[in-house]
Amino acid sequence: NAGVTQTPKFRILKIGQSMTLQCAQDMNHNYMYWYRQDPGMGLKLIYYSVGAGITDKGEVPNGYNVSRSTTEDFPLRLELAAPSQTSVYFCATWAREAFFGQGTRLTVV
Amino acid sequence: AQSVTQPDIHITVSEGASLELRCNYSYGATPYLFWYVQSPGQGLQLLLKYFSGDTLVQGIKGFEAEFKRSQSSFNLRKPSVHWSDAAEYFCAVGHMEYGNKLVFGAGTILRVKS
Repeated sequence: NAGVTQTPKFRILKIGQSMTLQCAQDMNHNYMYWYRQDPGMGLKLIYYSVGAGITDKGEVPNGYNVSRSTTEDFPLRLELAAPSQTSVYFCATWAREAFFGQGTRLTVV
Repeated sequence: AQSVTQPDIHITVSEGASLELRCNYSYGATPYLFWYVQSPGQGLQLLLKYFSGDTLVQGIKGFEAEFKRSQSSFNLRKPSVHWSDAAEYFCAVGHMEYGNKLVFGAGTILRVKS
């Protein structure tokens, strides 16, 4: 079992570019989440999904979009990247506890 | 609104000394409670969790936490700290009623001095 796999691990984007952060899980968990982590702020929820075809906004959704066409995959899309989106992004699943991926470190310059 | 407060941004303890990290929460119901640890550049590792039952919870690496409903607290403790415990610690709360979304505290950075 790979658990929760995030790709890429690192990425540098220019302002205005777009990209998709990938998240895949092999645990057949219905609940999936995207968090961003900024120094001194803990983790903030961006979007979440309770199952394939169902997504909802979290605390900080602006500038992001998600889709959930399968149970396994939950990609996070950044359109028109801004410096404020420089952060570490974590994908997670839930089954009596949260299982986290290793994170994607994104820098927007 | 749900919130988690970790009052201490940084804590420094001597190796071998005891440790207590504080966590207070504001939530609509008695939430599930978690402590995670993160080493620099790494992901989050679950130390322990509380759902119900015995309010003293044992976790990995010798950590324990006590849920106190009257104080809305879930403090993390360790009787003797090791240098390898230096990391950032996050308290988090969630509940099925709220989609199991976790609300995190801002974190406490633990430094261990020899």
